[in-house]
Amino acid sequence: GAGVSQSPSNKVTEKGKDVELRCDPISGHTALYWYRQSLGQGLEFLIYFQGNSAPDKSGLPSDRFSAERTGGSVSTLTIQRTQQEDSAVYLCASSLTGQANNEQYFGPGTRLTVT
Amino acid sequence: LAKTTQPISMDSYEGQEVNITCSHNNIATNDYITWYQQFPSQGPRFIIQGYKTKVTNEVASLFIPADRKSSTLSLPRVSLSDTAVYYCLVVYTGGFKTIFGAGTRLFVKA
Repeated sequence: GAGVSQSPSNKVTEKGKDVELRCDPISGHTALYWYRQSLGQGLEFLIYFQGNSAPDKSGLPSDRFSAERTGGSVSTLTIQRTQQEDSAVYLCASSLTGQANNEQYFGPGTRLTVT
Repeated sequence: LAKTTQPISMDSYEGQEVNITCSHNNIATNDYITWYQQFPSQGPRFIIQGYKTKVTNEVASLFIPADRKSSTLSLPRVSLSDTAVYYCLVVYTGGFKTIFGAGTRLFVKA
């Protein structure tokens, strides 16, 4: 079946602009995760959704970052007033449930470049 | 949340067995140990998960000692295509926050 998809695959934006990144999880997966990966670094956890709810938003780097999930499916990560330090690959993952022993399936990521 | 420590990089040759050890000294009772593999320009991919003792699948084995303060991912007979970054995670069953460390960059040479 279809895996996790993300769009766009690449995004170049000017500093100060807003961007929206989209994630389509695997159908039926209730848990959805957003991560950020800077060049050559590990993954930084941003936010988790169980259904449409995000129990903890403390992983978001600043108040310029927000995320939502609708219909228990598609999620959007929005970055307002982008800065150069926001340049990274943004990865989305989904799992059947939010239990720790559930495998996370990752999308290909969105490479964001802020000029 | 349990912090993990693993080697930054390792080199190996084709056909050898590779063992990558991860330390997680403050692992909690309900935590699971999970390993992911990441190739360049791709998202991570689940390899194996365990709670205690030994787990084996078609890709790898995971050895966890009784105190669970460390774990070892074993890759039998690696090939060039196993060159990747390997992440060790400790995931809390009662939570959701997933912490990926810096990972171990494995280079497999011919």
